[in-house]
Amino acid sequence: DQQVKQNSPSLSVQEGRISILNCDYTNSMFDYFLWYKKYPAEGPTFLISISSIKDKNEDGRFTVFLNKSAKHLSLHIVPSQPGDSAVYFCAATGGTSYGKLTFGQGTILTVHP
Amino acid sequence: DSGVTQTPKHLITATGQRVTLRCSPRSGDLSVYWYQQSLDQGLQFLIQYYNGEERAKGNILERFSAQQFPDLHSELNLSSLELGDSALYFCASSVGRLQGKYGYTFGSGTRLTVV
Repeated sequence: DQQVKQNSPSLSVQEGRISILNCDYTNSMFDYFLWYKKYPAEGPTFLISISSIKDKNEDGRFTVFLNKSAKHLSLHIVPSQPGDSAVYFCAATGGTSYGKLTFGQGTILTVHP
Repeated sequence: DSGVTQTPKHLITATGQRVTLRCSPRSGDLSVYWYQQSLDQGLQFLIQYYNGEERAKGNILERFSAQQFPDLHSELNLSSLELGDSALYFCASSVGRLQGKYGYTFGSGTRLTVV
């Protein structure tokens, strides 16, 4: 039962353009959603999160949008930089899952100079 | 350096063997989580400990076990290893039991290869 899904295995964008990474979830009890970034040979690092009571959270070049009715969230990176090239995981927690994060499969972002 | 230390970084072992993966959480963190990342898979939650007690269990096989010691370091024991157990094993830590807004901090992982 895949409760958090990232349907795009990969995304390629030009430097300076917007990157949009998408994530869908099925568990309506989730109340926090997070994005992690992972470089090769490193562990995932926390990027940004959003509470279910909000629909947008911004941190510098990174903005996360939450559409609860559609059970969908997205991460926008503007402007994209080559150093943003990494695997991005969305994750969720809440309800009976509180205390653990449920991760999507990840999206490989490649930003071309 | 995230502050979460995992050893060893790489491990190659034969089928049927037993290995122990070790994790030292970030200073001050009481919760430890173990995750498995197989090829082309997302991070699968295995188990959580908080201050020495098991708090949540995920898709952890019966051949796998874990514990958290009084000094808060944790060990994940994998026995009767099979080829399919080859994966990256991540440990993460957090201050409390419930981590919504800030998630947790991951170590750099142990890559296990079973041959």
